[in-house]
Amino acid sequence: GIQVEQSPPDLILQEGANSTLRCNFSDSVNNLQWFHQNPWGQLINLFYIPSGTKQNGRLSATTVATERYSLLYISSSQTTDSGVYFCAPNNNAGNMLTFGGGTRLMVKP
Amino acid sequence: NAGVTQTPKFQVLKTGQSMTLQCAQDMNHEYMSWYRQDPGMGLRLIHYSVGAGITDQGEVPNGYNVSRSTTEDFPLRLLSAAPSQTSVYFCASSLSGAHNEQFFGPGTRLTVL
Repeated sequence: GIQVEQSPPDLILQEGANSTLRCNFSDSVNNLQWFHQNPWGQLINLFYIPSGTKQNGRLSATTVATERYSLLYISSSQTTDSGVYFCAPNNNAGNMLTFGGGTRLMVKP
Repeated sequence: NAGVTQTPKFQVLKTGQSMTLQCAQDMNHEYMSWYRQDPGMGLRLIHYSVGAGITDQGEVPNGYNVSRSTTEDFPLRLLSAAPSQTSVYFCASSLSGAHNEQFFGPGTRLTVL
């Protein structure tokens, strides 16, 4: 199956700082999703991004499928951004998602 | 819409007991899946279904059974619980496949003693 590595594993930011989270994957994929798991455990889909760049408010994501990586940018971080961020590419058959180990983010006020 | 619902929220079992985790969605999604999340780790796929009557194994299927008799429901059965199955279980659904946007339920926290 696809191997997925996320970096950094842990990140501490001061409120207002910017950050970039990285997701590398081992095989070609036909889609990739980014999720945020809040401190209460709820998983929220942030981006559905097979290639190119998408923006949603202070968050944006870029996937370069040919080079097998995706980046999640968080600008002007807020304490509510705290939690764990997961990337999850799916296999070319489109029937299975593989999750990375996540980046645990803490934003301090 | 209620989205994806899971019951129960918490469950404690003894080794060897059986139980069923319930998952339902009201979005008429064809694809449904079950994941487990162990402490400090990402989610691992247990089983998935691409439509009523069709199920398949994911990454970690051993010890779990599923069935999909309706579009709305996708229960996960533990036939003989083991301490290694202590985890948080998430159900997800999407329109037609893993390549579509996934919607997750709130999770079930299971402890096996």
